[in-house]
Amino acid sequence: GEDVEQSLFLSVREGDSSVINCTYTDSSSTYLYWYKQEPGAGLQLLTYIFSNMDMKQDQRLTVLLNKKDKHLSLRIADTQTGDSAIYFCAETGTGNQFYFGTGTSLTVIP
Amino acid sequence: KAGVTQTPRYLIKTRGQQVTLSCSPISGHRSVSWYQQTPGQGLQFLFEYFSETQRNKGNFPGRFSGRQFSNSRSEMNVSTLELGDSALYLCASSLGREKLFFGSGTQLSVL
Repeated sequence: GEDVEQSLFLSVREGDSSVINCTYTDSSSTYLYWYKQEPGAGLQLLTYIFSNMDMKQDQRLTVLLNKKDKHLSLRIADTQTGDSAIYFCAETGTGNQFYFGTGTSLTVIP
Repeated sequence: KAGVTQTPRYLIKTRGQQVTLSCSPISGHRSVSWYQQTPGQGLQFLFEYFSETQRNKGNFPGRFSGRQFSNSRSEMNVSTLELGDSALYLCASSLGREKLFFGSGTQLSVL
């Protein structure tokens, strides 16, 4: 199946920017997604980007897509303690099945 | 609009038993997908149902089965439970083939 890779951990200071990176394999994905999971909860859709776009901004969130390198990133500006969570990127592969990365655990230090 | 509802929230079973998990999708969503989440394997796709038909299936043994009813509610069944089936089972609904919306999950512990 498709392989979606993310680094496991990221630690930032409150107020700084966080950048979470992801690489994917299926260049035919129509959309690429970022989900957030807080402890004991399901996955919350944060944002998504259409595959023919390079960038999408949504309040504090900026998604960058480099299709040539199959690289997706999520930038969170002015990171707050409430942003501490696990972040998953996802692509839709064969049969429109979703493939999720391993998740990046973001810790925000006050 | 109510979100995706999964019941029960927690389950404790013993090896060899069977279990049924329930999922009510967002109103109007006809696609329901199930995922297994474990610390070691991450999120793994189980199956997807659309209009009462299984449209896609992941790589899980036949002990894992599901169904969808005419009101789009879905159930997932695991028979002959094994210790390794302990996981968070997540259900997600979608309008079409985009943007999955997840429930809070059912945490299954097999003793």
